[in-house]
Amino acid sequence: EDQVTQSPEALRLQEGESSSLNCSYTVSGLRGLFWYRQDPGKGPEFLFTLYSAGEEKEKERLKATLTKKESFLHITAPKPEDSATYLCAGLTQGGSEKLVFGKGTKLTVNP
Amino acid sequence: DARVTQTPRHKVTEMGQEVTMRCQPILGHNTVFWYRQTMMQGLELLAYFRNRAPLDDSGMPKDRFSAEMPDATLATLKIQPSEPRDSAVYFCASGLPGDYTFGSGTRLTVV
Repeated sequence: EDQVTQSPEALRLQEGESSSLNCSYTVSGLRGLFWYRQDPGKGPEFLFTLYSAGEEKEKERLKATLTKKESFLHITAPKPEDSATYLCAGLTQGGSEKLVFGKGTKLTVNP
Repeated sequence: DARVTQTPRHKVTEMGQEVTMRCQPILGHNTVFWYRQTMMQGLELLAYFRNRAPLDDSGMPKDRFSAEMPDATLATLKIQPSEPRDSAVYFCASGLPGDYTFGSGTRLTVV
């Protein structure tokens, strides 16, 4: 069964304190690994897609990396506005491709 | 910016009533997903369509849920009869393979 697991469930950081979120996956024939950001009361907002092991993508203070078993979202010198829930999802292969989500990491950045 | 529009944003209904949620996907997108989000389960895939054809609805309770896409500008999710355990936020997402945009969701409360 395709599965995506995120850790930790919640993370509190001080402003400027860098850290990483983990996403481990068992998705047969992974076609892509997605990261989304979700703010309270809103839908997930797309951040990155990674397609192959070794790939990295950056956006402002965020950098996503991918290995054959997991992905990391590195947050460098976070600010309070980075507080949100970060979701990771694997895109399965085949004619019935679909996004399988982890349960997310709730990040709180204190000023 | 193009966006996925969901209506209504909030719905409170009594147990046993029919509920219809609507989604207007982004023009040109050929894939539409329906997800349900709860605190306990996170984002669960209910159904999805490619070029308006249903591809997978294995995540949906068939006895009470139905999903349709009568035309390229409208996707619907119906629950009949509704039950308190259906209370959740329902998201629609549209996109092309590998690039998906979520709507703001319909928050459903069944009392």
